[in-house]
Amino acid sequence: AQSVAQPEDQVNVAEGNPLTVKCTYSVSGNPYLFWYVQYPNRGLQFLLKYITGDNLVKGSYGFEAEFNKSQTSFHLKKPSALVSDSALYFCAVRDGNRDDKIIFGKGTRLHILP
Amino acid sequence: EAGVAQSPRYKIIEKRQSVAFWCNPISGHATLYWYQQILGQGPKLLIQFQNNGVVDDSQLPKDRFSAERLKGVDSTLKIQPAKLEDSAVYLCASSGGQALYNEQFFGPGTRLTVL
Repeated sequence: AQSVAQPEDQVNVAEGNPLTVKCTYSVSGNPYLFWYVQYPNRGLQFLLKYITGDNLVKGSYGFEAEFNKSQTSFHLKKPSALVSDSALYFCAVRDGNRDDKIIFGKGTRLHILP
Repeated sequence: EAGVAQSPRYKIIEKRQSVAFWCNPISGHATLYWYQQILGQGPKLLIQFQNNGVVDDSQLPKDRFSAERLKGVDSTLKIQPAKLEDSAVYLCASSGGQALYNEQFFGPGTRLTVL
């Protein structure tokens, strides 16, 4: 069965510093990987996805994520954090070889400190 | 382009009462999803529709939850009777196709409190 793990409940980063939000996954086939962001009292917003091709994926708001097949990871990164990046981030995975549901991680709360 | 609309935004009911949520997806989106998001957890898929047909309802508690999408556009999710553990945010999402790699567009959610 497919699964996704976000090992950190919360990440604190100073404004202007690089940030990383970790995600690891497990699927039997080829993974389709997604990052979503949730701001208070709002639904999830799509940031970026990996389907195939280049391991480095660029998305909205300056975010990027690196697909690492050997480590089964898909960490979210940004070179320079903004206070407005403070939100709840969800990693999600879907098995590209099976008609199965998408699975979301439990989320990581990102705090950017001014 | 209008986003996914949901109503109501908030609902407070007592246990054993019934409640219904409404969702209007992005125009033209054939695939519609209902998720349950309990505090501190990620969204859990309850049901997925493709047009007006059910694709996946394996995680829908069918003894109390029901959902329909009669004309392949709007959808309603009903809980009857509600339990305390149903307190959660119910999210509706839509996507432009059934491809597994399509991103989903989420509505603002309905926060349900069961007392």
